[in-house]
Amino acid sequence: EVQLVASGGTLVQPGRSLRLSCTVSGFTFSDYAITWVRQAPGKGLEWVGFIRSRAYSGTTEYAASVKDRFTISRDDSKSIAYLQMNSLQTEDTAVYYCTRGPDSSPLRAWPYWGQGTLVTVSS
Amino acid sequence: DIVMTQSPDSLAVSLGERVTINCKSSQSILYSSNNKNYLAWYQQKPGQSPRLLISWASTRESGVPDRFSGSGSGTDFTLTISSLQAEDVTVYYCQQYFSTPITFGQGTRLEIK
Repeated sequence: EVQLVASGGTLVQPGRSLRLSCTVSGFTFSDYAITWVRQAPGKGLEWVGFIRSRAYSGTTEYAASVKDRFTISRDDSKSIAYLQMNSLQTEDTAVYYCTRGPDSSPLRAWPYWGQGTLVTVSS
Repeated sequence: DIVMTQSPDSLAVSLGERVTINCKSSQSILYSSNNKNYLAWYQQKPGQSPRLLISWASTRESGVPDRFSGSGSGTDFTLTISSLQAEDVTVYYCQQYFSTPITFGQGTRLEIK
């Protein structure tokens, strides 16, 4: 069974950093891109970015709202993807989900979602 | 960026009624080389992760009831629920995955009339 578990969310002060993890099981992690999506309280879904599989160079792409502040990485040996968030702002407050598509391409709909982890940025 | 616009924002419907939700993209999301529309529909219930209902504009995911269907091509798409059930009353999003940034519609909330 494909499972993704997002963790690491907490209350953090503006300007600080936080790293989220997406731990997966039930599939060969290295074969798939992982995408992060967020949802501010009471709001809609927002794509944060993705990391391609190593077969596709492991490169990343980001939304303009997080580019240069957030970094997605992966450790294929541990089956974990990370979302490093720096210079956090109050508008980054959201539930963060990690997702996976049906094949190796990141440009796919996502049938697999983690349960989400809440990041609250507040002083 | 491709802007996705859903209509309506909310809809009050009776159980058993047919429901239609529209989604319009600001540019075509039909990829000519494979003739596929890069459009998905998700359902999200309170406190839960989104659930993929439809991909490629009209391909229903495994386990999704056949009362859900998707249609459209190019820039105009529709999610139809043929006979609304109580468990369908929640929020629906369209999404384009044709190009980055991947973008979503603002959501459509269904309510019981």
